[in-house]
Amino acid sequence: EVQLVESGGGLVQPGGSLRLSCAASGFTFSNYWMTWVRQAPGKGLEWVANIKQDGSEKYYVDSVKGRFTISRDNAKNSLYLQMNSLRAEDTAVYYCARGLSAFDIWGQGTMVTVSS
Amino acid sequence: QTVVTQEPSFSVSPGGTVTLTCGLSSGSVSTSYYPSWYQQPPGQAPRTLIYSTNTRSSGVPDRFSGSILGNKAALTITGAQADDESDYYCVLYLGSGISVFGGGTKLTVL
Repeated sequence: EVQLVESGGGLVQPGGSLRLSCAASGFTFSNYWMTWVRQAPGKGLEWVANIKQDGSEKYYVDSVKGRFTISRDNAKNSLYLQMNSLRAEDTAVYYCARGLSAFDIWGQGTMVTVSS
Repeated sequence: QTVVTQEPSFSVSPGGTVTLTCGLSSGSVSTSYYPSWYQQPPGQAPRTLIYSTNTRSSGVPDRFSGSILGNKAALTITGAQADDESDYYCVLYLGSGISVFGGGTKLTVL
C-alpha cells in the first residue's frame, strides 16, 4: 500500500525547534519530488517547502525561509522538516505529500503547536 | 506576491451541478500552471481529485471534472451527493519549484 506517515509534532515554545519526519512506503521514494504542506487551525492549506528526488533542489515559502530546512534520506525512505525559531503562526497540521506540481499521495498529518 | 483566488463558499442541491473556479490575482490561468484540485472533508487529510488541469486521480468518479473556463481553472461536480460536502482547494504551479494553494471553497450540499 502506498503510504506516507508523519511524526514528530508536538507542543513547543516560541523560538524553539522541532523536527518532523515522514516515512514513505509502497513506492520508490527516490523517484519523486516531495512536499510539505501545512494547515493552521480553521484555515486553508499552505504550501511550505519541497525537495527534488536527489535533494539537489529545495524551495520554500517566504515565511519560513531561513528558519525551516527540508531534507530527505532516500536510503531510509524518509522526508524531514527541521523547524527552528518557531513562531505562534507556525502552529498547524503539517502534511507531507508526494509530488512537485501536484500532490497525489498525502499523509494524515502531524500537529505542531507553538505556544508558551 | 501571487494570490490564487477561489470562491469562499458555494452551495448545490443534491443531484445538481456546481462549478468551482481557481483564478489568479493578476493574469490568466492556463494549462501551463498545471492546476490541480483537492477535496478535504472535515477533520480529514486532503484527497487528490484532479491534476494537470483535467486528469482524474485514481479512484475519483467521473462526476468530477477539471477544465479551463475563460481565464480560470474550474472544477465541475455533476450529480452532487451529500458526501461531496467538503472544502475544495486548487493549486497552481508557478514554476521554479513553487506552488500556491487557493484559499479554498467550502461546498455545502443542501
